[in-house]
Amino acid sequence: DVKVTQSSRYLVKRTGEKVFLECVQDMDHENMFWYRQDPGLGLRLIYFSYDVKMKEKGDIPEGYSVSREKKERFSLILESASTNQTSMYLCASSLFPLSGQPYEQYFGPGTRLTVT
Amino acid sequence: DAKTTQPNSMESNEEEPVHLPCNHSTISGTDYIHWYRQLPSQGPEYVIHGLTSNVNNRMASLAIAEDRKSSTLILHRATLRDAAVYYCILLTQGGSEKLVFGKGTKLTVNP
Repeated sequence: DVKVTQSSRYLVKRTGEKVFLECVQDMDHENMFWYRQDPGLGLRLIYFSYDVKMKEKGDIPEGYSVSREKKERFSLILESASTNQTSMYLCASSLFPLSGQPYEQYFGPGTRLTVT
Repeated sequence: DAKTTQPNSMESNEEEPVHLPCNHSTISGTDYIHWYRQLPSQGPEYVIHGLTSNVNNRMASLAIAEDRKSSTLILHRATLRDAAVYYCILLTQGGSEKLVFGKGTKLTVNP
């Protein structure tokens, strides 16, 4: 079974702190994604990466950065946490669609981040 | 992006089949139909996907209309663990892999 793990299920941080969310997958997937999920807004893509050291902005990258130094690990960084970044953060991974056919994404359990 | 329409909620009894509909009348020829579900307090989970033909896997079946303007996710014997929000999503071959969840269908399974 594909396993995507996230470093914390729940996290509470203060405004202005630098926050690191870690995601690890064990299926040698090329693609990795960071989403946030908020009530009424659904799932929104923050960043994704299709290879080591490669990254692409999603729909809401402002206030976030990412790092992918190893294929299995994709980190989301909140440079200076703010209260409007309180959310559920979800990491996902998938194979790279060499033929163009989109593959299924496997999600981690999520990190519920509260910024006070 | 082609849009999908799903009922807000459905109810089923345990061990009965469940048919979850999805309308996608503006689907294009290169759009794949993907289904995900999300159990309470968990990350989304891939269920099944297809292009034109009906598909079966260990979790569910996907029945795709001949004109591809609608599809139905079939859970053959619902269990309490199947209570979740089910999302029908279209992904285009060669296009963005970003998942955009609409409101989905909240499935309640009664014991």
